Amino acid sequence: DAKTTQPPSMDCAEGRAANLPCNHSTISGNEYVYWYRQIHSQGPQYIIHGLKNNETNEMASLIITEDRKSSTLILPHATLRDTAVYYCIVRVSGTYKYIFGTGTRLKVLA
Amino acid sequence: DSGVTQTPKHLITATGQRVTLRCSPRSGDLSVYWYQQSLDQGLQFLIQYYNGEERAKGNILERFSAQQFPDLHSELNLSSLELGDSALYFCASSVSGVGEKLFFGSGTQLSVL
Repeated sequence: DAKTTQPPSMDCAEGRAANLPCNHSTISGNEYVYWYRQIHSQGPQYIIHGLKNNETNEMASLIITEDRKSSTLILPHATLRDTAVYYCIVRVSGTYKYIFGTGTRLKVLA
Repeated sequence: DSGVTQTPKHLITATGQRVTLRCSPRSGDLSVYWYQQSLDQGLQFLIQYYNGEERAKGNILERFSAQQFPDLHSELNLSSLELGDSALYFCASSVSGVGEKLFFGSGTQLSVL
């Protein structure tokens, strides 16, 4: 059921932008891309989602390629508190399943 | 605080036993999801309910079962427990379960000894 591919880990300097990529080449035309993060063993926290256009909220920006086969989550000014596992997920087409992959472990360095 | 309440926070039991995990969704949310997260693993989707009915099933073992009650709270029952069932169990809720963000509870840490 793996629907997304993410690098297992990334480092980012504090204050710099963190760019987290995700491949979702089999995404259906009407499926959204969602990003969540999990800090330590807390419950995952919603960050942002999008369909076609780029999206921005108070937490992050989401850039989706024109063919929708990949996206990038951008944390504009990473802080130490942004250290977490970031998950990119899509709904399994034709079902109500939201499958989380193994995510990207982002470490923000002081 | 996501508004999703899970109890208990911690549960320690022995192999072969049966336990029940409880989840109260956010007020107004009709859909409940259950996920399992083993040590250093991603979140494994178990099952989803919408307004009392099962809507989607993941890799849920036959020893596990769940239900959603008329007041919309949900319970996950785990029986004949094995050491490998030790994990964090998360519940999430959403308004309808289609194309929406999920709100997760803080989880139940199950330890099977």
